[in-house]
Amino acid sequence: DTGVSQDPRHKITKRGQNVTFRCDPISEHNRLYWYRQTLGQGPEFLTYFQNEAQLEKSRLLSDRFSAERPKGSFSTLEIQRTEQGDSAMYLCASSFSPYNEQFFGPGTRLTVL
Amino acid sequence: EDQVTQSPEALRLQEGESSSLNCSYTVSGLRGLFWYRQDPGKGPEFLFTLYSAGEEKEKERLKATLTKKESFLHITAPKPEDSATYLCAVQAVDSSYKLIFGSGTRLLVRP
Repeated sequence: DTGVSQDPRHKITKRGQNVTFRCDPISEHNRLYWYRQTLGQGPEFLTYFQNEAQLEKSRLLSDRFSAERPKGSFSTLEIQRTEQGDSAMYLCASSFSPYNEQFFGPGTRLTVL
Repeated sequence: EDQVTQSPEALRLQEGESSSLNCSYTVSGLRGLFWYRQDPGKGPEFLFTLYSAGEEKEKERLKATLTKKESFLHITAPKPEDSATYLCAVQAVDSSYKLIFGSGTRLLVRP
């Protein structure tokens, strides 16, 4: 399967713990995006990479959140000192320039107790 | 501020009963409008991209259309397997290619 993959699919953690999610984009896709989705809402943009460069972060993104894409391939999203309000589905998407269509992974569902 | 509003929030149809979903948008300059389908617990699945007013795209029982202010997703003779949440998103020309999503329309098709 050559789609976007995300790991883990589910994560349960206690408030105050750090968590890290991984995203593997479709091979050769140079753009990678992270979104967050809560129940009954559409996905909300978090951050965007073109190759290894992080080109935009949402104003809403707390400094507890950090993302990397070290070699322009896979990406990680880390949340430090998790809060209950961080509970959501975290979605990764990728696209291939110059095409604009973004293809999403299955998501990582985070539950903060 | 760029914004997307979808209506209705939820829609129940009988199998074979055609209908339309609406997506209204305001954006500084439209690069593209996207429709996705999302099943419970899964990531959004890409359906269509529309770039300019008057453009139409079709796939099986789905047809998407675009005007300068809104887009419609027409569902002809739906089947129960069409039940899902349908998401609309816009991409602005002055953005970093991020998508701005509406809240979606939850479609239930009863046999």
